[in-house]
Amino acid sequence: KAGVTQTPRYLIKTRGQQVTLSCSPISGHRSVSWYQQTPGQGLQFLFEYFSETQRNKGNFPGRFSGRQFSNSRSEMNVSTLELGDSALYLCASSLGGIHFNEQFFGPGTRLTVL
Amino acid sequence: GQQVMQIPQYQHVQEGEDFTTYCNSSTTLSNIQWYKQRPGGHPVFLIQLVKSGEVKKQKRLTFQFGEAKKNSSLHITATQTTDVGTYFCAVYAGNNRKLIWGLGTSLGVNP
Repeated sequence: KAGVTQTPRYLIKTRGQQVTLSCSPISGHRSVSWYQQTPGQGLQFLFEYFSETQRNKGNFPGRFSGRQFSNSRSEMNVSTLELGDSALYLCASSLGGIHFNEQFFGPGTRLTVL
Repeated sequence: GQQVMQIPQYQHVQEGEDFTTYCNSSTTLSNIQWYKQRPGGHPVFLIQLVKSGEVKKQKRLTFQFGEAKKNSSLHITATQTTDVGTYFCAVYAGNNRKLIWGLGTSLGVNP
């Protein structure tokens, strides 16, 4: 079974631009979560999508948005990039049902904002 | 909202020494998961505990869930350089099953 894939793996943008990151979950997984990781800051939860609906949301500004498609693939968008948005963005998929499912992470997208 | 405190934040040990990281909550937890992230890698699921007092072992790793289900520990016996990484605990909370993460414990092992 193929793992979680994220594209692109690396991205360089300048302040003020916008960016879209993509995540393809494991086949059959209906939940996709997004995280921001910076050195020493752990995993900061952005949002979770389940069956095309945002089910949970973290404490990030509205510049961060996402969506999920009918095939469970998810995209995350960041508008008006700031220097502080430079980070590793990880997505994780899980079955997403009523049980406490484990999360399967993708390799991440390394975003650098100049 | 639900929070989990993970301690210590960092620890360096000599190869062969033992290591323990703790995850604590002020409220009763329904479950707890542990993940490991190697340097440059992504978090990988290790185990999940759901029962009061549960103890599970994976080779040199021992995971415990407290009797009151408010804390958990991950203990590594005789660390090896392959154990280097950050260990995270995570718990599901709320009706929407939001996954709450600890800040992680970064383990360094000196050969």
